[in-house]
Amino acid sequence: GAVVSQHPSWVICKSGTSVKIECRSLDFQATTMFWYRQFPKQSLMLMATSNEGSKATYEQGVEKDKFLINHASLTLSTLTVTSAHPEDSSFYICSANSGANVLTFGAGSRLTVL
Amino acid sequence: QQQVKQSPQSLIVQKGGIPIINCAYENTAFDYFPWYQQFPGKGPALLIAIRPDVSEKKEGRFTISFNKSAKQFSLHIMDSQPGDSATYFCAAGAPNSGYALNFGKGTSLLVTP
Repeated sequence: GAVVSQHPSWVICKSGTSVKIECRSLDFQATTMFWYRQFPKQSLMLMATSNEGSKATYEQGVEKDKFLINHASLTLSTLTVTSAHPEDSSFYICSANSGANVLTFGAGSRLTVL
Repeated sequence: QQQVKQSPQSLIVQKGGIPIINCAYENTAFDYFPWYQQFPGKGPALLIAIRPDVSEKKEGRFTISFNKSAKQFSLHIMDSQPGDSATYFCAAGAPNSGYALNFGKGTSLLVTP
């Protein structure tokens, strides 16, 4: 079946640094990928829609200059958390449309900002 | 703004019981309603999904019931097992947003032996 891979699965960084998370569709091409954020014991909140070859579309309240999204190929989207702060600590999950509008999710990337 | 409302927040059933999780929505543009299962520290995994042209869908022990007029849908887990203990999320997607999913708040299910 369709597989979406995220890397890294865990990352710890110091406050003020930037962190890049990769999302890859392994056996299918995805013109659109979605980035979600999930705080502990909460639901998944859509952050942005990543479109191959064009600018991402951000949800209201999500700072596009802080959460940089690049979708340079049909199998890779990256999310860069710039100048990370402790409040950015969360579980970041990407998903991609693997066909028939079925979203396949990655395993998630847990970010801890010290 | 929560576009999909899910209840209950948590649920405890005995092994063999049939937990039922309910969701409701308002946006009539939604035409895709999946359910996801999530274990701690893992990404959500698609369990089963339904579209509005059918009122019920079964896959193994999982059944979705869909009431288009009431804008409600529910997940039933037949013969529940301790391994089903997880958090379940309902979601809804619409074509005009590229099927970016709107998730319910989740239901934490515990199936006791």
